[in-house]
Amino acid sequence: AQTIHQWPVAEIKAVGSPLSLGCTIKGKSSPNLYWYWQATGGTLQQLFYSITVGQVESVVQLNLSASRPKDDQFILSTEKLLLSHSGFYLCAWSSQGWDTQYFGPGTRLLVL
Amino acid sequence: DAKTTQPDSMESTEGETVHLPCSHATISGNEYIYWYRQVPLQGPEYVTHGLQQNTTNSMAFLAIASDRKSSTLILPHVSLRDAAVYHCILRVATGGNNKLTFGQGTVLSVIP
Repeated sequence: AQTIHQWPVAEIKAVGSPLSLGCTIKGKSSPNLYWYWQATGGTLQQLFYSITVGQVESVVQLNLSASRPKDDQFILSTEKLLLSHSGFYLCAWSSQGWDTQYFGPGTRLLVL
Repeated sequence: DAKTTQPDSMESTEGETVHLPCSHATISGNEYIYWYRQVPLQGPEYVTHGLQQNTTNSMAFLAIASDRKSSTLILPHVSLRDAAVYHCILRVATGGNNKLTFGQGTVLSVIP
Protein backbone atom coordinates (compact mmCIF):
# COMPACT_ATOMS: atom_id res chain seq x y z
CA ALA A 1 0.00 0.00 0.00
CA GLN A 2 1.09 3.54 -0.69
CA THR A 3 1.81 5.89 2.17
CA ILE A 4 2.36 9.63 2.10
CA HIS A 5 4.26 11.42 4.81
CA GLN A 6 4.65 15.15 5.36
CA TRP A 7 7.08 16.93 7.61
CA PRO A 8 7.05 18.79 9.87
CA VAL A 9 3.59 18.34 11.30
CA ALA A 10 3.48 21.98 12.35
CA GLU A 11 5.76 25.00 12.36
CA ILE A 12 5.79 28.45 13.87
CA LYS A 13 8.13 30.76 11.97
CA ALA A 14 9.06 34.42 11.94
CA VAL A 15 8.36 36.73 9.02
CA GLY A 16 11.41 36.88 6.78
CA SER A 17 12.76 33.50 7.85
CA PRO A 18 13.29 30.60 5.42
CA LEU A 19 10.98 27.61 5.13
CA SER A 20 11.27 24.07 3.89
CA LEU A 21 8.39 21.60 3.93
CA GLY A 22 8.74 18.03 2.78
CA CYS A 23 6.62 15.26 1.38
CA THR A 24 7.56 11.61 0.76
CA ILE A 25 5.60 8.90 -1.03
CA LYS A 26 6.33 5.26 -0.30
CA GLY A 27 5.08 2.27 -2.21
CA LYS A 28 4.55 4.03 -5.53
CA SER A 29 7.09 4.58 -8.28
CA SER A 30 7.00 7.64 -10.53
CA PRO A 31 3.95 9.29 -8.99
CA ASN A 32 2.60 12.66 -10.01
CA LEU A 33 3.01 14.98 -7.03
CA TYR A 34 1.15 18.13 -6.02
CA TRP A 35 1.33 20.90 -3.42
CA TYR A 36 -1.87 22.55 -2.20
CA TRP A 37 -2.37 25.37 0.29
CA GLN A 38 -5.35 26.28 2.41
CA ALA A 39 -5.54 29.60 4.26
CA THR A 40 -7.41 29.49 7.55
CA GLY A 41 -11.09 29.46 6.66
CA GLY A 42 -10.28 29.36 2.96
CA THR A 43 -10.45 26.84 0.15
CA LEU A 44 -7.69 24.55 -1.07
CA GLN A 45 -5.58 25.92 -3.92
CA GLN A 46 -3.10 23.96 -5.96
CA LEU A 47 0.37 25.57 -5.91
CA PHE A 48 2.65 23.21 -7.83
CA TYR A 49 2.66 19.91 -9.62
CA SER A 50 5.37 17.57 -10.80
CA ILE A 51 5.14 14.62 -13.15
CA THR A 52 8.77 13.52 -12.89
CA VAL A 53 12.04 14.09 -11.06
CA GLY A 54 13.50 17.52 -11.65
CA GLN A 55 10.37 18.92 -13.28
CA VAL A 56 8.04 21.21 -11.37
CA GLU A 57 5.31 23.47 -12.74
CA SER A 58 3.96 26.46 -10.85
CA VAL A 59 0.21 26.98 -10.76
CA VAL A 60 -0.18 29.89 -8.33
CA GLN A 61 2.46 32.50 -7.53
CA LEU A 62 2.77 32.91 -3.78
CA ASN A 63 6.51 33.67 -3.50
CA LEU A 64 7.12 29.97 -2.92
CA SER A 65 9.14 27.44 -4.86
CA ALA A 66 9.05 23.68 -5.15
CA SER A 67 11.53 21.03 -6.13
CA ARG A 68 11.49 17.30 -6.76
CA PRO A 69 14.98 16.00 -5.97
CA LYS A 70 13.97 12.33 -5.90
CA ASP A 71 11.21 10.24 -7.40
CA ASP A 72 9.47 9.93 -4.06
CA GLN A 73 10.17 13.38 -2.62
CA PHE A 74 8.60 16.82 -3.09
CA ILE A 75 9.91 19.93 -1.32
CA LEU A 76 8.19 23.29 -0.83
CA SER A 77 10.36 26.22 0.20
CA THR A 78 10.94 29.92 0.37
CA GLU A 79 13.81 32.09 1.50
CA LYS A 80 11.61 34.75 3.11
CA LEU A 81 8.29 33.98 4.72
CA LEU A 82 5.39 36.40 4.62
CA LEU A 83 2.47 36.62 7.03
CA SER A 84 0.24 35.54 4.16
CA HIS A 85 2.04 32.20 3.96
CA SER A 86 0.30 31.00 7.10
CA GLY A 87 -2.09 28.12 6.57
CA PHE A 88 -2.31 24.42 5.92
CA TYR A 89 -0.03 22.85 3.30
CA LEU A 90 -0.99 19.58 1.71
CA CYS A 91 0.92 17.24 -0.52
CA ALA A 92 -0.93 14.86 -2.82
CA TRP A 93 -0.07 12.14 -5.32
CA SER A 94 -1.66 10.33 -8.21
CA SER A 95 -0.57 7.44 -10.40
CA GLN A 96 -1.04 9.36 -13.61
CA GLY A 97 -2.06 12.89 -14.48
CA TRP A 98 -5.67 11.86 -14.92
CA ASP A 99 -5.90 9.56 -11.92
CA THR A 100 -7.39 10.05 -8.46
CA GLN A 101 -5.36 12.23 -6.11
CA TYR A 102 -4.63 11.11 -2.58
CA PHE A 103 -3.68 13.63 0.05
CA GLY A 104 -1.19 13.57 2.88
CA PRO A 105 -1.87 14.60 6.48
CA GLY A 106 -0.67 18.18 5.93
CA THR A 107 1.62 20.69 7.65
CA ARG A 108 0.26 23.58 9.66
CA LEU A 109 2.28 26.76 9.31
CA LEU A 110 1.92 29.89 11.40
CA VAL A 111 3.99 32.91 10.43
CA LEU A 112 4.35 35.61 13.07
CA ASP B 1 -13.34 23.01 -14.95
CA ALA B 2 -17.08 23.60 -14.62
CA LYS B 3 -18.59 24.91 -11.41
CA THR B 4 -20.52 22.92 -8.82
CA THR B 5 -23.17 24.10 -6.35
CA GLN B 6 -23.67 22.45 -2.97
CA PRO B 7 -25.72 23.38 0.10
CA ASP B 8 -23.63 25.08 2.76
CA SER B 9 -24.63 22.64 5.49
CA MET B 10 -26.70 19.58 6.29
CA GLU B 11 -27.51 17.77 9.49
CA SER B 12 -28.23 14.12 10.17
CA THR B 13 -28.62 11.70 13.06
CA GLU B 14 -26.45 8.66 13.60
CA GLY B 15 -27.72 5.64 11.75
CA GLU B 16 -29.62 7.60 9.13
CA THR B 17 -28.90 7.63 5.41
CA VAL B 18 -27.70 11.00 4.16
CA HIS B 19 -28.18 12.36 0.66
CA LEU B 20 -25.70 15.11 -0.25
CA PRO B 21 -26.70 16.92 -3.45
CA CYS B 22 -24.45 18.58 -6.00
CA SER B 23 -25.51 20.61 -9.02
CA HIS B 24 -23.24 20.89 -12.08
CA ALA B 25 -25.43 22.24 -14.84
CA THR B 26 -22.55 23.12 -17.19
CA ILE B 27 -20.62 19.87 -16.89
CA SER B 28 -18.73 18.79 -19.99
CA GLY B 29 -18.85 15.32 -21.45
CA ASN B 30 -15.28 14.53 -20.41
CA GLU B 31 -15.55 15.79 -16.83
CA TYR B 32 -15.58 13.33 -13.97
CA ILE B 33 -17.51 13.98 -10.76
CA TYR B 34 -15.28 13.54 -7.72
CA TRP B 35 -16.19 13.59 -4.04
CA TYR B 36 -13.74 14.23 -1.24
CA ARG B 37 -14.35 14.87 2.42
CA GLN B 38 -12.23 16.79 4.89
CA VAL B 39 -12.21 17.16 8.64
CA PRO B 40 -10.41 20.09 10.30
CA LEU B 41 -6.63 19.91 10.29
CA GLN B 42 -6.54 16.80 8.08
CA GLY B 43 -6.00 16.30 4.38
CA PRO B 44 -9.00 15.64 2.12
CA GLU B 45 -10.02 12.01 1.92
CA TYR B 46 -11.11 10.55 -1.41
CA VAL B 47 -14.65 9.20 -1.25
CA THR B 48 -15.68 8.23 -4.77
CA HIS B 49 -15.95 9.39 -8.37
CA GLY B 50 -17.95 8.68 -11.50
CA LEU B 51 -18.48 9.74 -15.08
CA GLN B 52 -21.93 8.64 -16.13
CA GLN B 53 -22.98 5.48 -14.33
CA ASN B 54 -23.86 5.25 -10.65
CA THR B 55 -20.98 3.93 -8.58
CA THR B 56 -20.67 2.31 -5.19
CA ASN B 57 -17.84 1.47 -2.84
CA SER B 58 -17.38 0.76 0.84
CA MET B 59 -17.85 4.40 1.76
CA ALA B 60 -20.71 5.67 -0.36
CA PHE B 61 -23.06 5.38 -3.31
CA LEU B 62 -22.85 8.02 -6.04
CA ALA B 63 -26.03 8.59 -7.99
CA ILE B 64 -25.56 10.55 -11.23
CA ALA B 65 -28.55 12.01 -13.05
CA SER B 66 -29.13 10.77 -16.57
CA ASP B 67 -28.37 14.24 -18.00
CA ARG B 68 -25.31 14.49 -15.70
CA LYS B 69 -26.33 17.94 -14.52
CA SER B 70 -26.58 16.82 -10.91
CA SER B 71 -25.38 14.08 -8.63
CA THR B 72 -26.05 12.85 -5.11
CA LEU B 73 -23.62 11.28 -2.69
CA ILE B 74 -25.46 8.81 -0.50
CA LEU B 75 -23.94 7.84 2.83
CA PRO B 76 -25.71 4.88 4.44
CA HIS B 77 -25.98 4.59 8.22
CA VAL B 78 -23.86 7.62 9.06
CA SER B 79 -21.78 7.69 12.20
CA LEU B 80 -20.05 10.53 14.05
CA ARG B 81 -16.93 9.78 12.02
CA ASP B 82 -18.77 10.85 8.87
CA ALA B 83 -19.05 14.44 10.10
CA ALA B 84 -16.91 16.44 7.68
CA VAL B 85 -16.93 18.95 4.84
CA TYR B 86 -17.93 17.14 1.65
CA HIS B 87 -16.59 18.51 -1.63
CA CYS B 88 -18.11 17.81 -5.03
CA ILE B 89 -15.50 18.54 -7.73
CA LEU B 90 -15.49 18.28 -11.50
CA ARG B 91 -12.27 17.31 -13.21
CA VAL B 92 -11.27 16.71 -16.78
CA ALA B 93 -9.38 13.47 -17.13
CA THR B 94 -6.36 14.60 -19.10
CA GLY B 95 -2.65 14.21 -18.67
CA GLY B 96 -0.34 16.83 -17.23
CA ASN B 97 -1.75 18.96 -14.45
CA ASN B 98 -4.37 17.11 -12.50
CA LYS B 99 -5.77 20.18 -10.79
CA LEU B 100 -8.60 19.84 -8.29
CA THR B 101 -10.60 23.00 -7.68
CA PHE B 102 -12.14 22.92 -4.23
CA GLY B 103 -15.04 25.11 -3.16
CA GLN B 104 -16.57 25.57 0.27
CA GLY B 105 -18.37 22.24 0.15
CA THR B 106 -21.19 21.01 2.39
CA VAL B 107 -20.62 20.82 6.12
CA LEU B 108 -22.25 17.63 7.33
CA SER B 109 -23.08 17.53 11.03
CA VAL B 110 -24.01 14.22 12.65
CA ILE B 111 -26.00 14.18 15.87
CA PRO B 112 -25.59 11.25 18.27
